Amino acid sequence: QSVLTQPPSASGTPGQRVTISCSGSNSNIGSNTVNWYQQLPGTAPKLLIYSNNQRPSGVPDRFSGSKSGTSASLAISGLQSEDEADYYCATWDDSLNGVFGGGTKLTVL
Amino acid sequence: QLQLQESGPGLVKPSETLSLSCTVSGGSISSSSYYWGWIRQPPGKGLEWIGSIYYTGSTYYNPSLKSRVTISVDTSKKQFSLKLSSVTAADTSVYYCARHKVIIAATPRSHWFDPWGQGTLVTVSS
Repeated sequence: QSVLTQPPSASGTPGQRVTISCSGSNSNIGSNTVNWYQQLPGTAPKLLIYSNNQRPSGVPDRFSGSKSGTSASLAISGLQSEDEADYYCATWDDSLNGVFGGGTKLTVL
Repeated sequence: QLQLQESGPGLVKPSETLSLSCTVSGGSISSSSYYWGWIRQPPGKGLEWIGSIYYTGSTYYNPSLKSRVTISVDTSKKQFSLKLSSVTAADTSVYYCARHKVIIAATPRSHWFDPWGQGTLVTVSS
């Protein structure tokens, strides 16, 4: 059971905008920043968003992150087939240190 | 370009100690800005942070694994290592190493892993 709750699956059609949620508590998301990772099939995770809404160099601006209270969201606009992957949220928990969400499998229909 | 590469046995017997190393290339392991971390992923499941180490030897561990985990660093070899004792089948996972940015001296605390190694599968079985 993950400390951060994500929907197990999400889907969208090419060109569509999809969002993935991540719910936590005051001891983690509520007081610390959130990161998002993308894991393409058979590969290592890749940092997608850090510090709630910052994109590392090379990450397309189709990907955006936001945080409000004890929840965070990842939005993907202009969905492409290559976005089909698992997405994980992560943050610091004041008791547990580094924690991840359970992951969301995104399917591009 | 910073790269990380995991190495170690792919098969470990139950009750024994899992040992892995991560070699850093293309950058300094002694950077003042970064920790170096281990993360694992059981087959078909999600990610779990194991622990992280600073080049001085300062560590953070996942409380649920802390009693079985030792992470060490050898700056001369540009390597950091993971030891996980008393392993069971539940420790079968792909183990990743990664550079770990940690900003927790003040709130809001921030941390992220970037880049990651390619990962290595460790199976616990007799």
